[in-house]
Parts: sequence; structure tokens; C-alpha cells
Amino acid sequence: GQNIDQPTEMTATEGAIVQINCTYQTSGFNGLFWYQQHAGEAPTFLSYNVLDGLEEKGRFSSFLSRSKGYSYLLLKELQMKDSASYLCAVKDSNYQLIWGAGTKLIIKP
Amino acid sequence: SAVISQKPSRDICQRGTSLTIQCQVDSQVTMMFWYRQQPGQSLTLIATANQGSEATYESGFVIDKFPISRPNLTFSTLTVSNMSPEDSSIYLCSVAGGEGTEAFFGQGTRLTVV
Repeated sequence: GQNIDQPTEMTATEGAIVQINCTYQTSGFNGLFWYQQHAGEAPTFLSYNVLDGLEEKGRFSSFLSRSKGYSYLLLKELQMKDSASYLCAVKDSNYQLIWGAGTKLIIKP
Repeated sequence: SAVISQKPSRDICQRGTSLTIQCQVDSQVTMMFWYRQQPGQSLTLIATANQGSEATYESGFVIDKFPISRPNLTFSTLTVSNMSPEDSSIYLCSVAGGEGTEAFFGQGTRLTVV
């Protein structure tokens, strides 16, 4: 079966750095996405990786290793507004998105 | 990118009734996707709606319970039929760009069945 694993919950301090990991086992791979979802709102797109390596976008970076079936989302200079759930999703061989359960990130002052 | 207008944003419904959720996209798209997200859970795909053909339902979801319409390339509806409290959830419509592009979501419909 297809499976995406990410931690259920993480806590970090304002101004610090946090890394949210995602491992996946899917039938084929056509890219990995990270989304941010605030409570009661729809997910919003953060990043996309299809090749190995690091993609940087402001305070957020995402890394992919296809051989290891592994990705992480790195958030720097954490702000209180970064408190949200972070969803990892993989497009499989049919270009269907397979979603992880999400990681709830709690930022403390 | 695509902008999706979804409504209603929330509703409280009596068990046994039905609710129809609408999604309007600002551009023509081939496929639209309907998801359910129960509290604290990930997104679960209900069905894929193609214009001009019947929707394709995922395992555990049936047309009688979740009928879908797709009359044109910019609009779709999902009906949650004969509702029970277990149907209380957030329902999201989504469209995907081409290869390598991300999914865009409507604002979501928060449904509470009492």
C-alpha cells in the first residue's frame, strides 16, 4: 500500500528553527509537496520537490532524497503565525496526491 | 494558479437531510477533486470529477451517498446525502495544475450534523 509518515505534533520556540520530517512509500513518484494548514482553513501550498536536494524559499526550505523516500521541511526564524499543521503529500505514478496525516506545529513564546 | 470559490463555508444540518456544496473555479480545469478531512485527520479523497463523465469514487465512498455533478469545466457540486453525525467534517474541493504543479483548494465547508 501507499503510506506517508510524519510526526503528529512538534513544539518549538519563537525565533528558533524546526525540521519536520516526512517519509513515504508510494507506487511511483512524481513530486513531493508541503502544505500549511491553519485550523479551520484550507491547505495552502508551501513547496514542491521533484529532484533530490534543497529548495529554499524565504524562511522555509524543503529537502528531498528520492532514494531514501525522505523529505523534510525546515522553518527558520519561527514566528507565532507559523503555528499550524504541515502536510506532506506525494504525487504517485497516476499523478494522484497521497497525503500524510499532517504535523501540528506549536510555537511557544 | 487557480482561484476556487467554495460555498457554503459552514453549515449545521439535521440528520437525515442533504447538503450540496458548490465549487466555482476561475479557469477551465479538466479534473476537480473532492476531499473530506475529519478532525485531526489528513485529507481523504472522496472522488474525482471529470466534465462530461461520471465521477470516479475512491474505496469507501459511493455515488448514492456523495452524488457529484460536473456540468462544465469551471463548476462542480458535491452532495452529502442522508447525513448522520459521522458525516461531520470539512469538505474541500481542489484542482490540480499540470505536471509538477500544486493543488489549489477552495476555502472548505465545515459541516456539522446534529
